[in-house]
Amino acid sequence: AQTVTQSQPEMSVQEAETVTLSCTYDTSENNYYLFWYKQPPSRQMILVIRQEAYKQQNATENRFSVNFQKAAKSFSLKISDSQLGDTAMYFCAFRGATNKLIFGTGTLLAVQP
Amino acid sequence: GAVVSQHPSWVICKSGTSVKIECRSLDFQATTMFWYRQFPKQSLMLMATSNEGSKATYEQGVEKDKFLINHASLTLSTLTVTSAHPEDSSFYICSAILPTGRGSADEQFFGPGTRLTVL
Repeated sequence: AQTVTQSQPEMSVQEAETVTLSCTYDTSENNYYLFWYKQPPSRQMILVIRQEAYKQQNATENRFSVNFQKAAKSFSLKISDSQLGDTAMYFCAFRGATNKLIFGTGTLLAVQP
Repeated sequence: GAVVSQHPSWVICKSGTSVKIECRSLDFQATTMFWYRQFPKQSLMLMATSNEGSKATYEQGVEKDKFLINHASLTLSTLTVTSAHPEDSSFYICSAILPTGRGSADEQFFGPGTRLTVL
């Protein structure tokens, strides 16, 4: 069975600085997708970034980028130039052949002014 | 974009009553929807996969007679919590997959969630 692990329950970063959120996963599948979702206080789930496992190039979306290490089964999220609006719970998620999303336990990120 | 709505956003009910939560895909047809449950400060746990025109597939440990799912049309799935009890109080979230050919690889779009409080 697939598992997703986020080892940082809470993180804090100063506005305009950079922060990295960690995620590791376990799977025997070769083709899969990885995601980072943001859940602000409104609790609406928002897709931040996605990575296809067959792509070696790390995904980037504006200030958000990932470090995808397939062999190590690691998928970290880097947020550059942190903004107050980035304050939220961040979930790492795995999707394999079943199309089901398996979420990590989340990291609560607080951006400090 | 792809928009998923949920209704109601917040519901309070008495113990023993049933509550229905609706999940709608507003601008696309969704053959597959998912229902999640989220306890405070915890992650999303998949409850079931809802397929249009067929029975839902429930995850292990989820009582199918307790959480009735109906996906009668391509834009609507409903979750009914039957004979609700205080332990059913939670945040329920649905998601829908874009049809093949639209958007990226079966991306899931989430509804805003429904907070259920059972007294």
